[in-house]
Amino acid sequence: GQSLEQPSEVTAVEGAIVQINCTYQTSGFYGLSWYQQHDGGAPTFLSYNALDGLEETGRFSSFLSRSDSYGYLLLQELQMKDSASYFCAVKNYGQNFVFGPGTRLSVLP
Amino acid sequence: DSGVTQTPKHLITATGQRVTLRCSPRSGDLSVYWYQQSLDQGLQFLIQYYNGEERAKGNILERFSAQQFPDLHSELNLSSLELGDSALYFCASSVAPGDKETQYFGPGTRLLVL
Repeated sequence: GQSLEQPSEVTAVEGAIVQINCTYQTSGFYGLSWYQQHDGGAPTFLSYNALDGLEETGRFSSFLSRSDSYGYLLLQELQMKDSASYFCAVKNYGQNFVFGPGTRLSVLP
Repeated sequence: DSGVTQTPKHLITATGQRVTLRCSPRSGDLSVYWYQQSLDQGLQFLIQYYNGEERAKGNILERFSAQQFPDLHSELNLSSLELGDSALYFCASSVAPGDKETQYFGPGTRLLVL
């Protein structure tokens, strides 16, 4: 089968750093994407990793280890507006996109 | 605003009916994706089109069908609707497959089947 696992909820305070992990088991793997979705809104693309290592985009960074079937999203200098759900997604060999269940991040003042 | 438009925003219909959801991709994007998001199933990939041709198929029911037209807009047809089809349906677009897989999502169509 194909599955992605993420923590269901994470809570942190403003200014802190938080890491959201994603482990995957899929039929083939091209890359790992991360999306942010605010309540009532549409998913917004954050990052994509096809190769091992860290990709940095402003306050957000994403990491991938293909050998461990593992990745994470790192959010630094947390702001209240970062409160949202975060989804990891894998593109597999069937060109399908499989999404994780999502992690709800709550940022407290 | 992602530049992807979807109509209608809301749709209420009855079981057994058929509806059509419409999506216009961002200008210049050739690839369109359809997703279903429900509370118990999360975000599910349904189908992808690239420049008018079906490119990938996910968890799309046989009662559902889609197409991409020459002007690149896409329609998702849902027939013999069931209560469980109530969900948010998103369309996304990208320039082309492989473009760092950046997909731009539309605002979604909220479907309620009564």
